[in-house]
Amino acid sequence: KNEVEQSPQNLTAQEGEFITINCSYSVGISALHWLQQHPGGGIVSLFMLSSGKKKHGRLIATINIQEKHSSLHITASHPRDSAVYICAVWRMEYGNKLVFGAGTILRVKS
Amino acid sequence: GAVVSQHPSRVICKSGTSVKIECRSLDFQATTMFWYRQFPKQSLMLMATSNEGSKATYEQGVEKDKFLINHASLTLSTLTVTSAHPEDSSFYICSAIWGVNTEAFFGQGTRLTVV
Repeated sequence: KNEVEQSPQNLTAQEGEFITINCSYSVGISALHWLQQHPGGGIVSLFMLSSGKKKHGRLIATINIQEKHSSLHITASHPRDSAVYICAVWRMEYGNKLVFGAGTILRVKS
Repeated sequence: GAVVSQHPSRVICKSGTSVKIECRSLDFQATTMFWYRQFPKQSLMLMATSNEGSKATYEQGVEKDKFLINHASLTLSTLTVTSAHPEDSSFYICSAIWGVNTEAFFGQGTRLTVV
């Protein structure tokens, strides 16, 4: 079993829909990243959080440390949101080493 | 967020030659830089971790003589793929942080094709 599990693996949505991507982890962490990778390959850090909730524009990330679960929400989705969304955690025991989920491929249709 | 610049974005080289990829943190001092390799439709695979002024720490199975990493300053790390072979063709991406377990910022990646 992977230490970081994401669901769903693939997601197709209509423009305007509310989208949720989930991330569960099975290890102790110091923080969790949500990353966005576009078809060209570059990766953008969307959020890093260790508790509660963060919001940036149409993106909202939440984390529940007790349940070892995080969600990324996209409100009013748009075709330009189409990308791979990756959850990654800083494991407590590893020090400086990110552990990545497999990613969620999101396609938003107009 | 902070900016990490990776260069080149795309390179084609002949078998047996060496290729150098640069990773620069433009607006912060990166105490640690990471080099990843990504195969198609797969997640990032950590190759090595480099701290400024010290030798890189390589992950198991990564040949340190083949993938030379230098982190000479707080803003620059380089990855040199030596004696490249077609099986080295891949997408390589770097990331940089300041401190420990802080927010990681990623370069744009380098698509290496060895012919």
